[in-house]
Amino acid sequence: QKEVEQNSGPLSVPEGAIASLNCTYSDRGSQSFFWYRQYSGKSPELIMFIYSNGDKEDGRFTAQLNKASQYVSLLIRDSQPSDSATYLCAVEGDTGRRALTFGSGTRLQVQP
Amino acid sequence: EADIYQTPRYLVIGTGKKITLECSQTMGHDKMYWYQQDPGMELHLIHYSYGVNSTEKGDLSSESTVSRIRTEHFPLTLESARPSHTSQYLCASSEGMSPARTDTQYFGPGTRLTVL
Repeated sequence: QKEVEQNSGPLSVPEGAIASLNCTYSDRGSQSFFWYRQYSGKSPELIMFIYSNGDKEDGRFTAQLNKASQYVSLLIRDSQPSDSATYLCAVEGDTGRRALTFGSGTRLQVQP
Repeated sequence: EADIYQTPRYLVIGTGKKITLECSQTMGHDKMYWYQQDPGMELHLIHYSYGVNSTEKGDLSSESTVSRIRTEHFPLTLESARPSHTSQYLCASSEGMSPARTDTQYFGPGTRLTVL
C-alpha cells in the first residue's frame, strides 16, 4: 500500500462546477497536509496546507481534513479552464521522517 | 515565499560525463531537497539537508551526491551520467523551524536532464 494515495484521473468537470479531489494516507502520525498544483512541464506550486481537522478555505479553494478517517480533500469552486493541472497531495510523515511524501497526483480537466 | 533558482534549466549530455545541477535560494531557508520526477509520474525524494554540512539520502536510491557547504547552495552531482538518469530534477527549500517539523516546501523551476 502506498503511503499517500490519489486517484490518477483524469477528473473532468465543466467550467463553473465544483471539483473534488481526494487523498488518503497510511501514517496515523501524520501532522501536516499540503496541496500542490503542477502544470505540465512545470514545478509544483503550493495551493494551501492544513494541520487541523475540519475545513480551511482560501479563495476558491477549500481543504478538508479528517484524521480519524485518514483522508484529506481539496474542493475547487467555480472551476476554470486555467485550473486544469495535476494536483499533488503531500503528507508530513512521523517525526522520524523529515520530508514530505507526495502522492502521484490527480489530473484535473476543466471543460470550457 | 521562497526565491529558488536552478541551473541549467535544460541539459543534454553524453554518457559518462560528470554533471552538477545547481540549486540556490535567497530566503535563508535551512532545509533543502532534491526530487526526481519522470513525465507524468510522481515525485521521488532523492536527497535532503537540514542545514550546512547536513545531508541525507531520500526514498529513491540515487547514484547522485549532494553537498551543503553554504546555506543558500545545494548542488547535486552525477559522477558518470547514464541514460537511466534522464529525468526532471526539482530542488525545493523550506524554512525548517526545527528538525522535527516539516513545513511548507517551495520548488525551483527544475532541470530537465537528458543523457544520450
